[in-house]
This record gives sequence, C-alpha cells and structure tokens, in this order.
Amino acid sequence: QSVLTQPPSVSGAPGQRVTISCTGSSSNIGAGFGVHWYQKLPGTAPKLLIYDNSNRPSGVPDRFSGSKSGTSASLAITGLQAEDEADYYCQSYDSSLSGWVFGGGTKLTVL
Amino acid sequence: QITLKESGPTLVKPTQTLTLTCTFSGFSLSTSAVGVGWIRQPPEKALEWLALIYWDDDKRYSPSLKSRLTITKDTSKNQVVLTMTNMDPVDTATYYCARFRHISSSVYFDCWGQGTQVTVSS
Repeated sequence: QSVLTQPPSVSGAPGQRVTISCTGSSSNIGAGFGVHWYQKLPGTAPKLLIYDNSNRPSGVPDRFSGSKSGTSASLAITGLQAEDEADYYCQSYDSSLSGWVFGGGTKLTVL
Repeated sequence: QITLKESGPTLVKPTQTLTLTCTFSGFSLSTSAVGVGWIRQPPEKALEWLALIYWDDDKRYSPSLKSRLTITKDTSKNQVVLTMTNMDPVDTATYYCARFRHISSSVYFDCWGQGTQVTVSS
C-alpha cells in the first residue's frame, strides 16, 4: 500500500486525452516535494517522463504533461497512441517515512 | 551517452546475502547533485525504492529495509554496489540501478539500467 495513490487502470481510444492522478498527503506532495512520472513498458526499464511536477526531459513528446495542486499531481497524455500503452508511476519524497516513494502504478490501455 | 548496467547472481538461496553491482558510464559520481540509486520491482507489483548514494558519499536507505542494506561506491571504477542480507523469497524481483539528480527539494531518476532479475529460492 503506497503512500502515493494511483488508479490501477485507465483507458482511452487513439487520439483521446487521458489523465492519471497521484494522490498524496501533507508529508509528501503537499509538503512541496517534487513529483516525477515514469513510463514502464513491459520488459523494459522505467523511463523518466516528467520531473519536478511539470518539466519534460529532452526527447519526451509534448503530448505528455504534468501538473500539481495541493496534495495531488496528475499526468496528462493527449493524442493517445498505441505505443503509449504502458504502466505509469509517480514518485516523490515522504518526510514521515524519510525516503523516496513510488505510487502503485497505473496501467494505461489504448482501446 | 549515459549507460548503467546491473550485474549479479540471478538465483540466491534464502538467508544468503545478495551483492549487486551497477557499472555506469557517461557521468561521474564526483559531480555535485548526482548519485546512483537502487529500485526493485517484484513480479506484478509496483516499483520500490531501496537505497541511494550521493556524490559526496551520503547514503540513504529505505526505512523498511535499512537493517539489511548497504550501498557503497567506487568512483574510480564507476561502480556502485548494493548488498542485501538475509534474502527471502519475497525479495524476488527485478533490481534496477539508476542515476538520480538532486535539484532543490527533488530527487528523480533520469537514467536507468536494464535491470537484473533476482530469484530467491532454495
């Protein structure tokens, strides 16, 4: 049971927009610690998609965007493509646990 | 180009100690605000942060595993080693090493190794 809560699954049709939420608390996201997002395709290593709430590393398409408000953060994917089908994880720091934490992961299915 | 690669045994017996090595290139562990961390993923489960080591040798461990973990670095060899004692079948997972960057109040993992599968079984 992670301190960062994500929906187990989301889905959308090609071309649509989907959002994945990451809900935390006052000891992590709400405390001002940055939220980062990773994409994990089956059998491959995680890939950094968004860092510090809303920043994209070079090479990540601008279809991916991140936001943060209060104790929650969100990853939005627009213009959904079949290749976006993957697991997505949020990550932050928790001061109560004194460590870095990942969300439980969200499986994105492209219909 | 930054690369990281994990190496170590694929099978360990319960109670044994696991030693994993992360060999990296394309960056230096003597560079400020940079470090290497270890993350694992058990089958069908989420990612779990284990430990990380900073450029200045500061070390941090997951509180739930702290008593079992040791992380060290050899800057001259571009290697980071993680040891985990008293292995149990629940420790079966893919283990990843990753470079992290520490900026302001954020630590994020920007480059990952391919991962190494570790099975704990007698």
